Parts: sequence; C-alpha cells; structure tokens
Amino acid sequence: GQQLNQSPQSMFIQEGEDVSMNCTSSSIFNTWLWYKQDPGEGPVLLIALYKAGELTSNGRLTAQFGITRKDSFLNISASIPSDVGIYFCAGPGLQGGATNKLIFGTGTLLAVQP
Amino acid sequence: ETGVTQSPTHLIKTRGQQVTLRCSSQSGHNTVSWYQQALGQGPQFIFQYYREEENGRGNFPPRFSGLQFPNYSSELNVNALELDDSALYLCASSPGWDSYNEQFFGPGTRLTVL
Repeated sequence: GQQLNQSPQSMFIQEGEDVSMNCTSSSIFNTWLWYKQDPGEGPVLLIALYKAGELTSNGRLTAQFGITRKDSFLNISASIPSDVGIYFCAGPGLQGGATNKLIFGTGTLLAVQP
Repeated sequence: ETGVTQSPTHLIKTRGQQVTLRCSSQSGHNTVSWYQQALGQGPQFIFQYYREEENGRGNFPPRFSGLQFPNYSSELNVNALELDDSALYLCASSPGWDSYNEQFFGPGTRLTVL
C-alpha cells in the first residue's frame, strides 16, 4: 500500500539554526502536504504542493515537490522555540479509485534549544 | 466561525468495553474523516462520513463504526475495546468528500484502554 517515510525521525537543534527534513514514498503522489502537530493538538496544515518541482514558501518555511513525485522536502530557516513539534508529510490516498483520505508519514520530531 | 471540536478530551476504558467519541465539524463543512494516531506514529485513516453516509473506510475492523448527523457532527463508536485501541483519535472536517487538502483537524480524544 501507499506509505510515506520521513527522515530524520528526530532533530535537536539550537535556536537560529536551519532545519531540513524529507519525506519519501515508493509510489507517486500528485499532491504533497506538510503538517505540524503541537502536543495535545491536531495537525495543522503548513504548506500544500500540487506540481512536480514546485517550490512554495510560508514565512520561514519552504517546501519542495520532488521531480520524481516520490519525495518532498521541508526546510525551516532561523528556527525559534515555537517551531517545536512533530512535522508530518501527507498525501492523498486512493480509496476505491476515489481520493478522499490522507496518508501520513512517520513524522519528524523537532526540538529547539533556546 | 468555530473550528472542529471533539469530546471528551481524555477517556479511560477497560478491555471489552464500548466507547463513543464525538466530533463537531467546522461551519460549512459536510464531511468528517476519523483518524487513529498511535503513540509515535502518524494518523491512520479509519473512515469518512459525507452527508450522513459512510464514504470510504481504512483497514479497521467492523467494531469501529460511526454516524453522521444532519448537522454534520459525527460519532465514532468502538466496541469490544482492545489494548491496542489506545491512541489519539482525531476527526477532521472538510467542505467536500474529496477536499483532502482542506481537512481541518480537531484537538483529538486521547483514549486509554486498560
């Protein structure tokens, strides 16, 4: 089935550092979504990518849709303590030919030392 | 405009019991999707309700069932609870069944099965 693998599993960085994480799949996705989940909360959408090669920014966050359609990358520049959380990639999953569900990756835990 | 709300926040049950979790969708949304998030993992799709009908199901047994009401709020019922059912249960509402990129998540219900 469709699976998304994220790396690294966790990152412990100093405030001000840049962060890179990625998401890979064995199958093609036509949309990539990046979410952040804070403790005790549901995931919140950060960035959506719809086209191979697309590079999209949201403030200090930049995400790219890989050319092969089997991967995506998320970069965070000049990290701050509130960037702490778990970052998930996600893509639309097929359900009987219809796209009505999300497949989530394994997550990257980010910890930022002030 | 209120966001997605879930109740209860936390719940403790024993093996074999039954549980009902509730979700109120965001105003204007007619679709609710339910996800199970085990500790340290990404959310996994359970099923979706669109206009009061089940519209797709993930790899979960029949003891996971649901309902959607005319006001588009939804319930998730789990019978014969097992220890592995311990997880964060998330609901997400969206404006359409295929609006996978417009799913807004609630804060979740943390279920512990002893």
